[in-house]
Amino acid sequence: DAKTTQPNSMESNEEEPVHLPCNHSTISGTDYIHWYRQLPSQGPEYVIHGLTSNVNNRMASLAIAEDRKSSTLILHRATLRDAAVYYCIPIQGGSEKLVFGKGTKLTVNP
Amino acid sequence: GAVVSQHPSWVICKSGTSVKIECRSLDFQATTMFWYRQFPKQSLMLMATSNEGSKATYEQGVEKDKFLINHASLTLSTLTVTSAHPEDSSFYICSARDMRGAGGANYEQYFGPGTRLTVT
Repeated sequence: DAKTTQPNSMESNEEEPVHLPCNHSTISGTDYIHWYRQLPSQGPEYVIHGLTSNVNNRMASLAIAEDRKSSTLILHRATLRDAAVYYCIPIQGGSEKLVFGKGTKLTVNP
Repeated sequence: GAVVSQHPSWVICKSGTSVKIECRSLDFQATTMFWYRQFPKQSLMLMATSNEGSKATYEQGVEKDKFLINHASLTLSTLTVTSAHPEDSSFYICSARDMRGAGGANYEQYFGPGTRLTVT
């Protein structure tokens, strides 16, 4: 499994954009990059995933570096409900297992 | 979106007893479900992969005789913690993927709300 490095914590203000970085320099060519988040006392929630191209959905955008050694999850306008631990998880193409690291705890200030 | 439920949401049991936790996919079918454990202020740890109609695959260090997994149908997997002890107290979470989706890593997983187990 590719190793990931994420900041332990980040802070943002409500209604401002948030850029959550993830370094995955050991990623292989067939690894998908997944992002999940976990609100307190809840199960994780899928956010977004991609392989090479940048991806957008209703929750967030995923910007993947050209060399794929890093990616950035972008929340365009943070809300208080976005306060959670965000996990960046590379998954091998043929695998189905999610291996969670420590993630980034995002605090959103009103 | 797809929904995964867990029952019970919390349970307290006495040391030495067994506890069963159910994980259901409510609006999709899942050939594969996953079980995780999470201790306070720690990340999720994958315990096992539950396969419908076959034996579960356990991660290294997880006792298969202590954590019994049964995946009897395409919508239900159960985790039984046998002879529970206080150190088994944890937050247990399951996840599943829709079997209609693309295989491998190009899919999203849906997580249950978790079951908090306290062993006294």
